[in-house]
Amino acid sequence: GAGVSQTPSNKVTEKGKYVELRCDPISGHTALYWYRQSLGQGPEFLIYFQGTGAADDSGLPNDRFFAVRPEGSVSTLKIQRTERGDSAVYLCASSLNAGEGEQYFGPGTRLTVT
Amino acid sequence: GDSVTQMEGPVTLSEEAFLTINCTYTATGYPSLFWYVQYPGEGLQLLLKATKADDKGSNKGFEATYRKETTSFHLEKGSVQVSDSAVYFCALSGGTSYGKLTFGQGTILTVHP
Repeated sequence: GAGVSQTPSNKVTEKGKYVELRCDPISGHTALYWYRQSLGQGPEFLIYFQGTGAADDSGLPNDRFFAVRPEGSVSTLKIQRTERGDSAVYLCASSLNAGEGEQYFGPGTRLTVT
Repeated sequence: GDSVTQMEGPVTLSEEAFLTINCTYTATGYPSLFWYVQYPGEGLQLLLKATKADDKGSNKGFEATYRKETTSFHLEKGSVQVSDSAVYFCALSGGTSYGKLTFGQGTILTVHP
């Protein structure tokens, strides 16, 4: 079956602009996770959803970052007033339920803020 | 909070050499432990996992044993291949990291023929 997909694969934006990153989880997976991976580092947790609700958003760095999952499937990570320090690979993962089973990762969106 | 520390890389080995990548963790409670691998140009994949103390996870010739007394989960392989060249990440879930994964910084492995 299809894995986790993320769009776009690459995004270049200017400082101060707004961006949206999309994640399509594996069908039937109720839990969805967002991570951010800077060059040479391991992924860092941002937020995860169980169904439509954000179960843990403790990793969001500030209020410029926001994520939604309105129908419990596709999720969008939204970044306002982008800064150069936001440049990273944004990874999405899904699992059957939060805390259960393997997390399957998408290929990531590489965000570059110029 | 929970954290994971991996040995610094990069690690360079000849084919058929023995591999160890050290991983230690700090966590409250009883986390599950994982090794993920990222091959060049590919996404993160689960390599192996262990969910309780003394469990051994294994896959593709790789092994790691959950050692609660030393809070470690070292990755080993008896004979590496060129195709094992990748970035390896140790991670934990559970404890105060319920649901989410906490990753180490990653170790780059390069295997030469």
